[in-house]
Amino acid sequence: ETGVTQSPTHLIKTRGQQVTLRCSSQSGHNTVSWYQQALGQGPQFIFQYYREEENGRGNFPPRFSGLQFPNYSSELNVNALELDDSALYLCASSPFASGVTDTQYFGPGTRLTVL
Amino acid sequence: DQQVKQNSPSLSVQEGRISILNCDYTNSMFDYFLWYKKYPAEGPTFLISISSIKDKNEDGRFTVFLNKSAKHLSLHIVPSQPGDSAVYFCAASVRNYGQNFVFGPGTRLSVLP
Repeated sequence: ETGVTQSPTHLIKTRGQQVTLRCSSQSGHNTVSWYQQALGQGPQFIFQYYREEENGRGNFPPRFSGLQFPNYSSELNVNALELDDSALYLCASSPFASGVTDTQYFGPGTRLTVL
Repeated sequence: DQQVKQNSPSLSVQEGRISILNCDYTNSMFDYFLWYKKYPAEGPTFLISISSIKDKNEDGRFTVFLNKSAKHLSLHIVPSQPGDSAVYFCAASVRNYGQNFVFGPGTRLSVLP
């Protein structure tokens, strides 16, 4: 069984650019969530996708957008990058059970640096 | 405004002794709590969870205690081992509202041999 994988591992961009981060869910998982972890802080929920539809969103501006594909892999897109977007971006997948909060399985993250 | 707080950024414990990591929350709607462990260069891994209908959950060396009236939970590790050295995150959520977990800032545990 393959775990959650993310690419790339590290990324350096400049302010104003756009970035796409990728995540492959664990086999059998149809829900993926994205988190931003700034230095010295806990992960902060960006949004969740369930069966290719957004299923909840945290307090992040619209320039943070996502996609989930039929194979349940996912992308996080960030437009107009700002210096404060520098962080570790974590993807987590889980088997979604309606009405029940299940555990999530995290990938190793993508470290984004915005200069 | 942090809804989940871990007021100790770091903790050092001798091998074999008990480690106690604390977590406080402000949102009384939270009804499901988890602890995650994170090693450097890895994603957080699930450790143990507790529902608000219980006040204790045990899994091997790990026990989580929940005090709903105080909005406080704690993770006990007994006995502590050097491999337990990691950052521990407390997370909370509201069931039936999806899996939007709110994480605390983490506590770095160092278990000294």
